[in-house]
Amino acid sequence: NAGVTQTPKFRVLKTGQSMTLLCAQDMNHEYMYWYRQDPGMGLRLIHYSVGEGTTAKGEVPDGYNVSRLKKQNFLLGLESAAPSQTSVYFCASKSGGGSYEQYFGPGTRLTVT
Amino acid sequence: GESVGLHLPTLSVQEGDNSIINCAYSNSASDYFIWYKQESGKGPQFIIDIRSNMDKRQGQRVTVLLNKTVKHLSLQIAATQPGDSAVYFCAEGASGGGADGLTFGKGTHLIIQP
Repeated sequence: NAGVTQTPKFRVLKTGQSMTLLCAQDMNHEYMYWYRQDPGMGLRLIHYSVGEGTTAKGEVPDGYNVSRLKKQNFLLGLESAAPSQTSVYFCASKSGGGSYEQYFGPGTRLTVT
Repeated sequence: GESVGLHLPTLSVQEGDNSIINCAYSNSASDYFIWYKQESGKGPQFIIDIRSNMDKRQGQRVTVLLNKTVKHLSLQIAATQPGDSAVYFCAEGASGGGADGLTFGKGTHLIIQP
């Protein structure tokens, strides 16, 4: 199993451009999450999904949109990128049934100039 | 607001010594605590977890201690090795399986001196 994969690994955007980050998991997990990690800080939750077709806002949702059309995929979109969105983005997934452990992808490093 | 935090941003230890990484939390309703290890350029990896109804749990070379009275969590790594160099995060989850995500601390960078 590949676990949690993310594409792309790196991306540079100009202010105002849009892009979509893709997260895929092959563990049949119900729950999926998008976090951002900034220097000297822990991970902050952007959006999450508790199942196919559902999404919910996390701690820092502004400027981002998400979709979960398929159970194995969770997309994070930036409609109009801003320099404040320069960060490393991590996707995670977990199973249901009261399990707390989240499995993380390798991250996407995004720079907005 | 309520948050999970860490006492020290950097911890330097000699190879072979034991390491203790501390974490303070303030949400009394948290049901679950987890430690993650993040190596440079990689995503966080699970180390060990503990539920709020326990005060100690041991894994391979690692022990997590939970003191609910003072809302303190610690990770002990025995006989620290070079491969233990990483940033360590504590995280907490609310009851019910943590469906709405984990709250992470800022992390402690563990540096191993030869």
